Amino acid sequence: SQQGEEDPQALSIQEGENATMNCSYKTSINNLQWYRQNSGRGLVHLILIRSNEREKHSGRLRVTLDTSKKSSSLLITASRAADTASYFCATPTGENSGYSTLTFGKGTMLLVSP
Amino acid sequence: EPEVTQTPSHQVTQMGQEVILRCVPISNHLYFYWYRQILGQKVEFLVSFYNNEISEKSEIFDDQFSVERPDGSNFTLKIRSTKLEDSAMYFCASSFLQGATGELFFGEGSRLTVL
Repeated sequence: SQQGEEDPQALSIQEGENATMNCSYKTSINNLQWYRQNSGRGLVHLILIRSNEREKHSGRLRVTLDTSKKSSSLLITASRAADTASYFCATPTGENSGYSTLTFGKGTMLLVSP
Repeated sequence: EPEVTQTPSHQVTQMGQEVILRCVPISNHLYFYWYRQILGQKVEFLVSFYNNEISEKSEIFDDQFSVERPDGSNFTLKIRSTKLEDSAMYFCASSFLQGATGELFFGEGSRLTVL
């Protein structure tokens, strides 16, 4: 079963609009992270939110976490063409090693048109 | 700014051949990881490495795979006998904190094509 599942799978918007991506997960977590991947490139960390936090901001990014619903959302405000990328949520896994690793969801592919 | 570097950027190999993918993690990081991404699919965890031993490995990381930190800087992934389905982008990552508690820094990946 998937640990992190993002939706929508793909999102197409115009520059200046806001983009919202959602992530659901199955097990208890102590934090959740969001990453970005430009096509064919490595993943870049965007933001980490801890389980005792409900909302966190970083520039044009706003992340929320609802542990009761096991879900998180990533909001990008005033989007730009350069925001075009895939966005992944990641949650701690690896029971045998004390949850030492991150498992990534399938990602949301965001296309921002000029 | 410190970065994770990976070589080669692209490798083409014949099925059954051995492949070694190399990574230089960020110098003060303690935890090292390999992930792979088959074209158009999710990023899949392969293995994590700490204190010169494997911390965790996934079902994908079978006996054909091995990792090594041969010196103080390199971290390698070896695939002993490649299969067609090993074709993917392989990402190395490192972190100062254990992966679940801190961010991972990824390299740009090594694209492996098995013919």
